[in-house]
Amino acid sequence: QAVLTQPASLSASPGASASLTCTLRSAISVGNYRVYWYQQKPGSPPRYLLRYKSDSDKQQGSGVPSRFSGSQDVSANAGILLISGLQSEDEADYYCMIWHNSAWVFGGGTKLSVL
Amino acid sequence: QVQLVESGGDLVKPGGSLRLSCAGSGFTLSDYYMKWIRQAPGKGLEWIVYISSSGTTIYYADSVKGRFTISRDNAKNSLYLQMNSLRVEDTAIYYCGRAGRNGGGGADWGQGTLVTVSS
Repeated sequence: QAVLTQPASLSASPGASASLTCTLRSAISVGNYRVYWYQQKPGSPPRYLLRYKSDSDKQQGSGVPSRFSGSQDVSANAGILLISGLQSEDEADYYCMIWHNSAWVFGGGTKLSVL
Repeated sequence: QVQLVESGGDLVKPGGSLRLSCAGSGFTLSDYYMKWIRQAPGKGLEWIVYISSSGTTIYYADSVKGRFTISRDNAKNSLYLQMNSLRVEDTAIYYCGRAGRNGGGGADWGQGTLVTVSS
């Protein structure tokens, strides 16, 4: 079982909200981890969006709009990236990441289509 | 303005070596944790190595441990990745990133440099 699992793709309409999930392996608990989120567009390096562990332990990346926010679903053992007011420019690949066993671990990424 | 510029990517044969460079500007590289990640063609992101600001703590991914070595030249404000015993599966764009002063997963990244390992 992979440490982090992300759905391969997600589609949503402009103006709607999209909830991207990052499910942690069952042996580890999302409440114990800072989950980081990156956005990557074709031909560009990744862009740091935010990290979330709790409402008191979170950080927004520099210049990242507030319509990008983080949360977690403890029952699903998942970190969540919520994008509200979707815009065409939000179409990109999104990766989650955690620090686990002295290693940075990325999820496989979710391709978000806005159409 | 913070800028990271990677260089050194090239076509190399399996078993060969290559040294990547990452030149920082707009900040003092030795004040920050730094990391390298890579992305194989059409694939996701893979973390490779993470070095503390002091340089005393270094973590390598299992996939490169024993083959890759990170180093820093503070006078040149540059980071390096020495890659030995290269394999076809090392083919990727390599990105250099600046994390926080105290570490963490957030980072600013350079534009990357392409390494192709092929006979």
